[in-house]
Amino acid sequence: LAKTTQPISMDSYEGQEVNITCSHNNIATNDYITWYQQFPSQGPRFIIQGYKTKVTNEVASLFIPADRKSSTLSLPRVSLSDTAVYYCLVGAKSYNQGGKLIFGQGTELSVKP
Amino acid sequence: DTAVSQTPKYLVTQMGNDKSIKCEQNLGHDTMYWYKQDSKKFLKIMFSYNNKELIINETVPNRFSPKSPDKAHLNLHINSLELGDSAVYFCASSPLVWREPDNEQFFGPGTRLTVL
Repeated sequence: LAKTTQPISMDSYEGQEVNITCSHNNIATNDYITWYQQFPSQGPRFIIQGYKTKVTNEVASLFIPADRKSSTLSLPRVSLSDTAVYYCLVGAKSYNQGGKLIFGQGTELSVKP
Repeated sequence: DTAVSQTPKYLVTQMGNDKSIKCEQNLGHDTMYWYKQDSKKFLKIMFSYNNKELIINETVPNRFSPKSPDKAHLNLHINSLELGDSAVYFCASSPLVWREPDNEQFFGPGTRLTVL
């Protein structure tokens, strides 16, 4: 089972780009990389998912190198409302394909004015 | 309008009691989950049901018993509550079809359980 490692916390300022890197050295061939965001007293919320190279949506970008042993979540121009815990998740898309979803310990991002 | 709802939001009870947490999703999803988040923010999956069938049962004490009366509901019953059961419990759902491009999970607001 792929295990993930992320920084426990990060600080940033409004308007800056934030990059959070996750290590997953034992990622399997059919594993996808997913990131979730969690605000205090709320459930996690899906941000982005990818398999390789780069994925971009309206919220973030996900960079995955060729060896897929790590991934970087990039948040452009963060605001105070981006203060949250960000989880890196590695696992098969579907349990029909086998594998399990395992959340990392999360990175607590604090955005300051 | 709530996609995944849980009741109650807060639950305070004494050791040894039996309690239930209810979860409902109106997204038409096939799969539902229960997660436990401890004080250190670790989020661990406990159970997963696909169309009322149990497909994941992690190493969870058998005091915890999920029940799915239909695919829109997944309730969690806990017998003989212990201090270590104190945590936030999240219900989630997803469209578990392998052809889907993204198997996004939608989480409920959580139930904070405190065992005294």
